[in-house]
Amino acid sequence: AAGVIQSPRHLIKEKRETATLKCYPIPRHDTVYWYQQGPGQDPQFLISFYEKMQSDKGSIPDRFSAQQFSDYHSELNMSSLELGDSALYFCASSLRDRGYNEQFFGPGTRLTVL
Amino acid sequence: EDQVTQSPEALRLQEGESSSLNCSYTVSGLRGLFWYRQDPGKGPEFLFTLYSAGEEKEKERLKATLTKKESFLHITAPKPEDSATYLCAGGTSYGKLTFGQGTILTVHP
Repeated sequence: AAGVIQSPRHLIKEKRETATLKCYPIPRHDTVYWYQQGPGQDPQFLISFYEKMQSDKGSIPDRFSAQQFSDYHSELNMSSLELGDSALYFCASSLRDRGYNEQFFGPGTRLTVL
Repeated sequence: EDQVTQSPEALRLQEGESSSLNCSYTVSGLRGLFWYRQDPGKGPEFLFTLYSAGEEKEKERLKATLTKKESFLHITAPKPEDSATYLCAGGTSYGKLTFGQGTILTVHP
């Protein structure tokens, strides 16, 4: 079965640079979620989109922005990167019309800021 | 504030030694309690969703149960390949998941 695809899988950036993470949800899934997981931490919700509209917002820094496109893929844009942004970034997708919220996670993008 | 607390933080078992993991939650508007398995450096793998108190679900050596305040993940006769971090999360209708800190399970042969 098709799963959530994230790219790139690994990314190394310098401080103050920008990064773009991409997420391709499971086919026919209409909702995308972004989570950040620091070392030894649980995943922390950043932001979500349903039908290309922002549906919920968590502890996402103002330096970050995201959007969902017409083909339902999503991009997380991160600017003025800081050392503390080094983490695993997960995208998850779900199908809202099923009436519940089972979120299926991608393999993650490991971002390292030097 | 929504809160999910898991215990113990770490659990070491011998192969075949059954045990349980605990998840207590306070999530406003909770619509589902989710269990995930996470291997190091990988994305959480969906295991179960529980929707109402008294509900139980099973998958191989795992069984999840739900009360009004807690959920338990029972592991029967575990094998070394069951070693992973088990995450519990509370979810609202269509919104974010609030995760606990996880239980790191190690099963020794």
